[in-house]
Amino acid sequence: SQQGEEDPQALSIQEGENATMNCSYKTSINNLQWYRQNSGRGLVHLILIRSNEREKHSGRLRVTLDTSKKSSSLLITASRAADTASYFCATALQGAQKLVFGQGTRLTINP
Amino acid sequence: DTEVTQTPKHLVMGMTNKKSLKCEQHMGHRAMYWYKQKAKKPPELMFVYSYEKLSINESVPSRFSPECPNSSLLNLHLHALQPEDSALYLCASSRTGTGSSYEQYFGPGTRLTVT
Repeated sequence: SQQGEEDPQALSIQEGENATMNCSYKTSINNLQWYRQNSGRGLVHLILIRSNEREKHSGRLRVTLDTSKKSSSLLITASRAADTASYFCATALQGAQKLVFGQGTRLTINP
Repeated sequence: DTEVTQTPKHLVMGMTNKKSLKCEQHMGHRAMYWYKQKAKKPPELMFVYSYEKLSINESVPSRFSPECPNSSLLNLHLHALQPEDSALYLCASSRTGTGSSYEQYFGPGTRLTVT
């Protein structure tokens, strides 16, 4: 089964609202990463949060990590139409040389 | 230069054809990856090269053959593919051979259609 599960699978909000996506995982991780993918294109790295970190910010993005609950959240504040995309969490398992991607959240920002 | 380039952007091939996908990066990254992505699904790892050596093969069928000629280039040779192999093929690179410690930079992908 997938290491990362994301919730919700799809989210539609009005421009200017905040969007929150959640990611849960099953085993111990080295770090957790969030990526954005516009339709049919490559993925763009957003934020990497290490297992000893609890929160990171980058512009309008805020990521939290709760290793006791094995979960992470991505908050996008003041959303814009250009934020419309799929968002994936990816976990780097301890001792592993690869990322495992969650199923993704499809975010739609309505003007 | 933080770009990963992939060629071609689109490829249509028959089941008896042989073709190659190409990927290039000039960021000095020593880990490179091939992923396969089906519509509305996450990327699935196929291969990892670390310091130009194949370090992970995720039980990929032999009709897919990766090659890393040097630290900047990654190829994926395709032969006798099946229609179910139609997908977006993504190349990525990251800073070190420990592939999961750092962020990965992705190319735009090659949209492959097997007829």
